[in-house]
Amino acid sequence: GQSLEQPSEVTAVEGAIVQINCTYQTSGFYGLSWYQQHDGGAPTFLSYNGLDGLEETGRFSSFLSRSDSYGYLLLQELQMKDSASYFCAVRDNQAGTALIFGKGTTLSVSS
Amino acid sequence: ETGVTQTPRHLVMGMTNKKSLKCEQHLGHNAMYWYKQSAKKPLELMFVYSLEERVENNSVPSRFSPECPNSSHLFLHLHTLQPEDSALYLCASSIWGQGEETQYFGPGTRLLVL
Repeated sequence: GQSLEQPSEVTAVEGAIVQINCTYQTSGFYGLSWYQQHDGGAPTFLSYNGLDGLEETGRFSSFLSRSDSYGYLLLQELQMKDSASYFCAVRDNQAGTALIFGKGTTLSVSS
Repeated sequence: ETGVTQTPRHLVMGMTNKKSLKCEQHLGHNAMYWYKQSAKKPLELMFVYSLEERVENNSVPSRFSPECPNSSHLFLHLHTLQPEDSALYLCASSIWGQGEETQYFGPGTRLLVL
């Protein structure tokens, strides 16, 4: 089967840097995605790592190590609007092409 | 309209009612999905349709019945639901088989079963 582990909650202050880790177990692996969901809103795509290494998109970066079955989302220069839930998701190519999501990490940013 | 839309946004129904959730995507995608999101639980995949054919059904109870009449529309028919079915039901779409498989979500239908 497949499983993903990520912390349930993270707190930080404005301007800080926070890292949200994700470890996964899958029978096959295609890539690791990250989604953001504000309270009451729909999940929105943030980033995707198909290969090892760091992908940077503005204040957000995502990292993948396939040998360690591990990835993380790095958020820099935190803003209040970054308070949301963040989900890692894997596409397990042996279980079909749909995404399997983690339970999500709730990030609270305070001033 | 653009993106993925869902109606209704909120729904309250009794256990003996029959209702349907509707999803529409305007992105030219060829795959659509239903997810269930309950408090403190991960997004649970319910159904996947690719090119209007069901390709995955993750052991969902038969009281949930999907319908995909074309690549732009997806329905979830509900009957004799249970209180534990109360949740946020999210629809998503994507381009099937694309490596990144980015999914675009609708705003969801918040369902309360009494």
